[in-house]
Amino acid sequence: DAGVIQSPRHEVTEMGQEVTLRCKPISGHDYLFWYRQTMMRGLELLIYFNNNVPIDDSGMPEDRFSAKMPNASFSTLKIQPSEPRDSAVYFCASSPELPGLMNTEAFFGQGTRLTVV
Amino acid sequence: GDSVTQMEGPVTLSEEAFLTINCTYTATGYPSLFWYVQYPGEGLQLLLKATKADDKGSNKGFEATYRKETTSFHLEKGSVQVSDSAVYFCALSEGNNDMRFGAGTRLTVKP
Repeated sequence: DAGVIQSPRHEVTEMGQEVTLRCKPISGHDYLFWYRQTMMRGLELLIYFNNNVPIDDSGMPEDRFSAKMPNASFSTLKIQPSEPRDSAVYFCASSPELPGLMNTEAFFGQGTRLTVV
Repeated sequence: GDSVTQMEGPVTLSEEAFLTINCTYTATGYPSLFWYVQYPGEGLQLLLKATKADDKGSNKGFEATYRKETTSFHLEKGSVQVSDSAVYFCALSEGNNDMRFGAGTRLTVKP
C-alpha cells in the first residue's frame, strides 16, 4: 500500500476562496483523522471518522470548516470562506482501529501546506 | 480530559550527545503512549509505543518507559546523530477515543 495520500501538497489561495483538501486512507483502515498543525497550537485534532461516519468534530474551529467521507477510500476537508488564520499544515491519518486498541497506530499522510493570503 | 505535556524546544545537541525529551500525561484511564517523529517536509511516523505500565518501547536507539507512578513517558537516546534532527511528538490514546498529541519538541543535532 502506498500509505495515506493527501493532495495537494501545497495550496496557496486568496482570502475568501473555497479550499478543498483531499485524503485517501490506507485500504482497510476504518478510522480517518484530520489534524491541523500550526506553530502556535501544535497538532490539533479537527475531526475523525469511523466507517465513514463522523464521530467527533468538536475540534472543527468554526462553521467555515466541513469534512466529509463519502466512501471508505476518500475524505475531504473544506474551508469556505478561507481566512489567513487558516494557514497551517493539514494532516490526514488513518488506522485500522482507534490508536491504543489492539496495539494499533495511526499512519499519517505527508500533509497539505495551506497558505491563505 | 486527556492531555500530554512535553518539554518545550527547541533542543540543540552535538552529535553523540545524550538526549532526553520529557513527556508527562493526564488521563482518566490506562492509555497507550506513543512517540511520533516528524522529519522535515514529511508527516508523522510512529517511533515507538508502550501499551501498559512499565513497558519499554524502543526503536532506532530511542527508548521510553511507561511510568504510571509519575505519569511519564520520557524519550531517551544515548548518542544522537545528525539524522535524528526532527520534531518529536509525545501522544496518548485511551483506545476509546482519539489520539492526543503534545506540542512537539524540535531537535537539532549539529555535527
